[in-house]
Amino acid sequence: QKEVEQDPGPLSVPEGAIVSLNCTYSNSAFQYFMWYRQYSRKGPELLMYTYSSGNKEDGRFTAQVDKSSKYISLFIRDSQPSDSATYLCAMSAGPGGYQKVTFGIGTKLQVIP
Amino acid sequence: DTAVSQTPKYLVTQMGNDKSIKCEQNLGHDTMYWYKQDSKKFLKIMFSYNNKELIINETVPNRFSPKSPDKAHLNLHINSLELGDSAVYFCASSPDLGTPNEYNEQFFGPGTRLTVL
Repeated sequence: QKEVEQDPGPLSVPEGAIVSLNCTYSNSAFQYFMWYRQYSRKGPELLMYTYSSGNKEDGRFTAQVDKSSKYISLFIRDSQPSDSATYLCAMSAGPGGYQKVTFGIGTKLQVIP
Repeated sequence: DTAVSQTPKYLVTQMGNDKSIKCEQNLGHDTMYWYKQDSKKFLKIMFSYNNKELIINETVPNRFSPKSPDKAHLNLHINSLELGDSAVYFCASSPDLGTPNEYNEQFFGPGTRLTVL
């Protein structure tokens, strides 16, 4: 079993839809939960992160962490064609540097105009 | 004003050759990383350096040797290239914020697409 599981998709939605992306994990030591976005042929870029449990909102994006279920989610409201990308969840036991970040395989999202 | 840059962007080579990929960051970060993204898009850490010192060394064949001449540069040398080394290699860097509960964001370079024939 992988430490981080993520459905690779692809996920295809119409413009304006609410998108739900999620990951499960097995390592109880994970405390930092990140979502990266990767456009085709580019490096990943951080969208948002959450420390420990709870919700975090940034514009159209909401991240949720449920440590009791070892389940994290990213919601995208009013999805736009420019949101079409691969979304990678990532997790770490520490803030970075000395603790490795473990990535999910990424979910490919396509938002159709 | 590129933050994390890598050269070359594309690398096509024969099995058995030795090649290097260079990485530079101008963000003043203390930590740099090498990741491998395989054909299934799975992104996996290979190495990380903090102020020129190796701090993470995942299970990577010893044909891969990172070198950090200073904290702004982290190069990756690969000996005796194999077909399975074909992948996209990403360099990244992050600050050491030292602030509790705050994630040290990793900034990724554009990637180097390595093809071994």
